[in-house]
Amino acid sequence: ETGVTQTPRHLVMGMTNKKSLKCEQHLGHNAMYWYKQSAKKPLELMFVYNFKEQTENNSVPSRFSPECPNSSHLFLHLHTLQPEDSALYLCASSQGSAGANVLTFGAGSRLTVL
Amino acid sequence: DQQVKQNSPSLSVQEGRISILNCDYTNSMFDYFLWYKKYPAEGPTFLISISSIKDKNEDGRFTVFLNKSAKHLSLHIVPSQPGDSAVYFCAASGGGAQKLVFGQGTRLTINP
Repeated sequence: ETGVTQTPRHLVMGMTNKKSLKCEQHLGHNAMYWYKQSAKKPLELMFVYNFKEQTENNSVPSRFSPECPNSSHLFLHLHTLQPEDSALYLCASSQGSAGANVLTFGAGSRLTVL
Repeated sequence: DQQVKQNSPSLSVQEGRISILNCDYTNSMFDYFLWYKKYPAEGPTFLISISSIKDKNEDGRFTVFLNKSAKHLSLHIVPSQPGDSAVYFCAASGGGAQKLVFGQGTRLTINP
């Protein structure tokens, strides 16, 4: 596996379910990100982790709970979601160094909340 | 308040001609600007970037121009090819913040 891998690619869940999205990067990067892409909206940053520590939470509702056990893995735990949370969830990683902070994205997890 | 804006949701260009994608920003603290390309069912992939101390950066068929006084940047693709059909996102970073702020995207269609 190379780059950034996200699983599952598609997920359908009810509002009372609990599920998790997984992200793994094979690039040796120090920073990992969760972005949300809703229809006809810009990509919205959700969380940033640097060296496993959360450094940014963009006012995300508590029904989204991130976890970063190490610099290569990132999870997004989902519980009691709403239909408006249906979106494409993109994981990314970067070196986190100075200069143009080029993010490498995974293919995304398409979430549908019924 | 959207700090990065792409006002054209879509653009259609004939194969072989020049494609020009535009982006405006409001935050003067941004010091790097990036363009990403996204195909359906794939994540965005990095295309080209420019530092705020430059006004042009070129990489093969792709050139990005930055006009700081107008807070405007553009991506030129020449010649356009059918494989360039995708959604293009403009993004910016700076002011000590690590995150990228994205525009809404422009869907580019290259017609044969």
